[in-house]
Order: sequence, then C-alpha cells, then structure tokens
Amino acid sequence: GQQLNQSPQSMFIQEGEDVSMNCTSSSIFNTWLWYKQDPGEGPVLLIALYKAGELTSNGRLTAQFGITRKDSFLNISASIPSDVGIYFCAGQKGGEDKLSFGAGTTVTVRA
Amino acid sequence: DAGITQSPRHKVTETGTPVTLRCHQTENHRYMYWYRQDPGHGLRLIHYSYGVKDTDKGEVSDGYSVSRSKTEDFLLTLESATSSQTSVYFCAITSVSGLNTGELFFGEGSRLTVL
Repeated sequence: GQQLNQSPQSMFIQEGEDVSMNCTSSSIFNTWLWYKQDPGEGPVLLIALYKAGELTSNGRLTAQFGITRKDSFLNISASIPSDVGIYFCAGQKGGEDKLSFGAGTTVTVRA
Repeated sequence: DAGITQSPRHKVTETGTPVTLRCHQTENHRYMYWYRQDPGHGLRLIHYSYGVKDTDKGEVSDGYSVSRSKTEDFLLTLESATSSQTSVYFCAITSVSGLNTGELFFGEGSRLTVL
C-alpha cells in the first residue's frame, strides 16, 4: 500500500497567498521529490532533494528534506492561478529503482 | 521535453478482452515504468523495467504483465480486462540514461475504460 501520507488532501488558494503541504512516512528515504500534474497531462518534476535537511527553491516553490529523512515539505509563495493542479510527493529508498508516491494534494483557486 | 509517447491515448473495451498499452521512448534510457492513477490513490507502480528483458513487479501488478524486447518500447498487457482496471495509465522514464535518481519524465497518459 501507500507508504507516503500526504496532506492536506485538497486546498483552496487565493491569489497572493502562501500555501504549504507535507508528506510523511514511517520509512526512511534517500531522495524526496515533488511533482505537479496539470489537468489531462502527466506529472512534471518540480524539485528533487537528496540530502537530509536540504532546502531547495525553484522560483516561488521551496521544498525541504526533513532531518529525520521521513518527511518533506513544499511551500508555494505568492500563489497565482496557474498554481492549480495536483501536487505529488515521492520518495526513493536507498538501493531501490522505484518511487513511492503520496496520494496527492489538489490545489484549487478559491472563487 | 523527453521523447515519450503512449498509445493509445484513449480506449474503451469490454470486460474479459485483452488490452495492450504501448510506451515508446526516443531517449535510449534504461529505466521505464508503468503507473496507474486513481482518485484518492495517487500514482501506484504496476511494473517497471531496468533493461531489455529485465522487469520487476510494483505494488499493484496483479492482472498485468509487461514486456520489453527492445530499449525503446515497454508494453503493458491486461490479459483479461476487468472493470477495476479502469484507470489512467502513465508511462515514465528516468531523466538520465543509466542512472536512477528518482527524477522521472512522464508520458501524457492512456485513459482506459473497461465496461
């Protein structure tokens, strides 16, 4: 089953807001990654993290590799309408060739 | 963009019929993956390949088989489709040939409906 617990399951954003989501696991991962999926398309890699404690930014996105290696966080600052979509966390264990994915966080614009 | 194409992009079939989905890459990368996406479950790995004729099971492999007879093609077969296999299927390859950093490029997906 799913090894990664991603929260929140969904969120509504208003333009200009900062938003956060996180991913936790009972297992240790060597790599944490964040992907975004737009409607009708495949997921696209946003940020990859390879070291515990690492903080990495990609434009308005910032992600952190938790110090325990069992969690990761993604922050979006000053959100804009094109930030809507589904965000997935993913983890890869040492020596493995496959990723485990979270169930996703669906981001929607608040009317 | 990574050169990944999936076919067919949409398919409707009946329970009990065989179905094959094709993933084709032009990158000559070693690792290829098949995932299914369902609401509330995210992306779940079905099977993956780490080279020609080298494949392994993922977490939801029951009812699916795969084949990789050449580097560029990875086929996913449902021998006898069931309604529970109605889903969107994604193929993915690693971003770097020969290495597995976890960074994947995904295809655009194949939507399968089993009636």
